Amino acid sequence: DTAVSQTPKYLVTQMGNDKSIKCEQNLGHDTMYWYKQDSKKFLKIMFSYNNKELIINETVPNRFSPKSPDKAHLNLHINSLELGDSAVYFCASSQVGQVVEQYFGPGTRLTVT
Amino acid sequence: QKEVEQNSGPLSVPEGAIASLNCTYSDRGSQSFFWYRQYSGKSPELIMFIYSNGDKEDGRFTAQLNKASQYVSLLIRDSQPSDSATYLCAVRRGGADGLTFGKGTHLIIQP
Repeated sequence: DTAVSQTPKYLVTQMGNDKSIKCEQNLGHDTMYWYKQDSKKFLKIMFSYNNKELIINETVPNRFSPKSPDKAHLNLHINSLELGDSAVYFCASSQVGQVVEQYFGPGTRLTVT
Repeated sequence: QKEVEQNSGPLSVPEGAIASLNCTYSDRGSQSFFWYRQYSGKSPELIMFIYSNGDKEDGRFTAQLNKASQYVSLLIRDSQPSDSATYLCAVRRGGADGLTFGKGTHLIIQP
C-alpha cells in the first residue's frame, strides 16, 4: 500500500486556469505538508497543516490554498495559474511531536503553458 | 529568514572512498536535522536524522551535528555507484513546522 499518494502525476494546463492536486496518506499521521520543487531542484515548504494550525510560508501567493476534507487528505488548489507555477509539487506527512521523517508522495509535475 | 546552505557540487568521489557532505543553517531555533537523498525524477527519501550534538551512525552513513557552529555533515563510507544522487540537508524547528531544505549537493560516485 502506498503511504502517501498524489494525483495526478502529471498536469499540463494553460495560464489562467484553476487546478487542484490531491494528496492522501494512510499512515495515520496528523500533519500534512505541501512542498514546491522548482526547475533548479530547490525544494521549498509551502504549507504545513494539522487540525490545530495552518502554517503558511509567507512567500506563497494567495492563489494557492490548501483544503483538508479530513485528517488523511490535504489538497492543493491553485487559482489563475501562471508560467512560474510550473514545478514539481510534493505532498508529505508526519506525526507532530516526534523526530521522525516526513514521508513524501511521488510528486505531481505541473506544467503551465 | 531561515536558510540552509550546501555546496551544490557536483562532488565526485571514487568508488569505495568516503564522501563528505556539508551543510550550515542560520536558524538557531532549529531542533532536528535531516539528510534526504533524491534520485532524478523521484521523491526525497530520508537517509539520516539527528537532533543531538555529536555523531550518529547507521550502516555506511554517519551524520554529525555541531549546534554551536550551526553545522551538519553526512559521511558516506565505502561509496557505491548507487549512492550517486542529490543529497538534501533539511532542518526543522518543531511542532507542525515544515522542513527547510538546502539546495542540495549532487554527488557522483565514479566506478
